[in-house]
Amino acid sequence: GENVEQHPSTLSVQEGDSAVIKCTYSDSASNYFPWYKQELGKGPQLIIDIRSNVGEKKDQRIAVTLNKTAKHFSLHITETQPEDSAVYFCDGAGSYQLTFGKGTKLSVIP
Amino acid sequence: EAQVTQNPRYLITVTGKKLTVTCSQNMNHEYMSWYRQDPGLGLRQIYYSMNVEVTDKGDVPEGYKVSRKEKRNFPLILESPSPNQTSLYFCASSFGASGNTGELFFGEGSRLTVL
Repeated sequence: GENVEQHPSTLSVQEGDSAVIKCTYSDSASNYFPWYKQELGKGPQLIIDIRSNVGEKKDQRIAVTLNKTAKHFSLHITETQPEDSAVYFCDGAGSYQLTFGKGTKLSVIP
Repeated sequence: EAQVTQNPRYLITVTGKKLTVTCSQNMNHEYMSWYRQDPGLGLRQIYYSMNVEVTDKGDVPEGYKVSRKEKRNFPLILESPSPNQTSLYFCASSFGASGNTGELFFGEGSRLTVL
């Protein structure tokens, strides 16, 4: 499948600080870029997505930016809170055969 | 309530004993898919289906079968389970239009142990 790399694999931040997770993909035809959040013991849940005709999308404290030329997109979480602690996954395939990144475990320290 | 339901949630079995993990969605979604989640490897797609009677392999289909006889159901079948299939399995569904899945809705997961 598609080659998708996600960094970092773990991230610890102080409450109130910002967190950034980056996903790099290889297929230039990809046109849909979602981010999922997985809380302990639960299935992943979509938190934000972006399509290739848009460079940035924001939803309250969460934003996603897309650089199609460099083939990467990033998740930005501002003013982090303890409930943001979870594992975050990107999907860089943008088609029906999905390829998720290996995940980023975010820990927000109160 | 809109949901994806997987059963069983937990299962311990022995090598070679056929098992089926069921998945059902009540959102009239066209697209359904199965994933396994292993430490350090993230979520890997096993099989997906874009509609009734249409199924395709994902990245790790070996040792698994699926069927899509009805729109709402997408069972995962392990004909002869082996210990390397011990994993956490997720089913997901979506409307699946415009050349991509769109938002995926995941089930709560099924933890399978093969002894």
